[in-house]
Amino acid sequence: KAGVTQTPRYLIKTRGQQVTLSCSPISGHRSVSWYQQTPGQGLQFLFEYFSETQRNKGNFPGRFSGRQFSNSRSEMNVSTLELGDSALYLCASSASSRYEQYFGPGTRLTVT
Amino acid sequence: QKEVEQNSGPLSVPEGAIASLNCTYSDRVSQSFFWYRQYSGKSPELIMSIYSNGDKEDGRFTAQLNKASQYVSLLIRDSQPSDSATYLCAVDTGRRALTFGSGTRLQVQP
Repeated sequence: KAGVTQTPRYLIKTRGQQVTLSCSPISGHRSVSWYQQTPGQGLQFLFEYFSETQRNKGNFPGRFSGRQFSNSRSEMNVSTLELGDSALYLCASSASSRYEQYFGPGTRLTVT
Repeated sequence: QKEVEQNSGPLSVPEGAIASLNCTYSDRVSQSFFWYRQYSGKSPELIMSIYSNGDKEDGRFTAQLNKASQYVSLLIRDSQPSDSATYLCAVDTGRRALTFGSGTRLQVQP
């Protein structure tokens, strides 16, 4: 089976802009979660989607949003980018019946 | 107090030795426990999951869980230089939102 894919892999944006990141889960996986990884804060949960519904959300401002499509692919959006949003954004997918989450390669976002 | 605590290391072991990585968690309702390996510049890779008290073995890896002590560990037998990485402990309280420790950096010396 192909793994989780994320696009783009690298992104450079300017403060104030917005960005959309994409994630395609492992075939058959219906749950998609997003995480942010920074050297200072480590890995932090952003939100989780299942069957196009957000089931859980982490402690991030409203500038961070996401959605899931009927084919389980997911996107996350960050509006009004801040320098502190520079991070590795990771998507993980899991089968509905199991708890193991499998990560994609991530999108490295740099905000200048 | 952090929800999931790990010693940041580095933990240095000689090739062929047993590496022991430890993790404690604060939320007693935690249900699922995971160990991920992350090489520098790469994304986390799931290596073990454990859900009930006791030991779970998979190849050279053994995960140990003690819910009464809120403690989970990972043993790596016959450590290889390729095992050198950061090991992340992750805990799920049932909401499918993993809480990660800050990771332990393991160095296996040839």
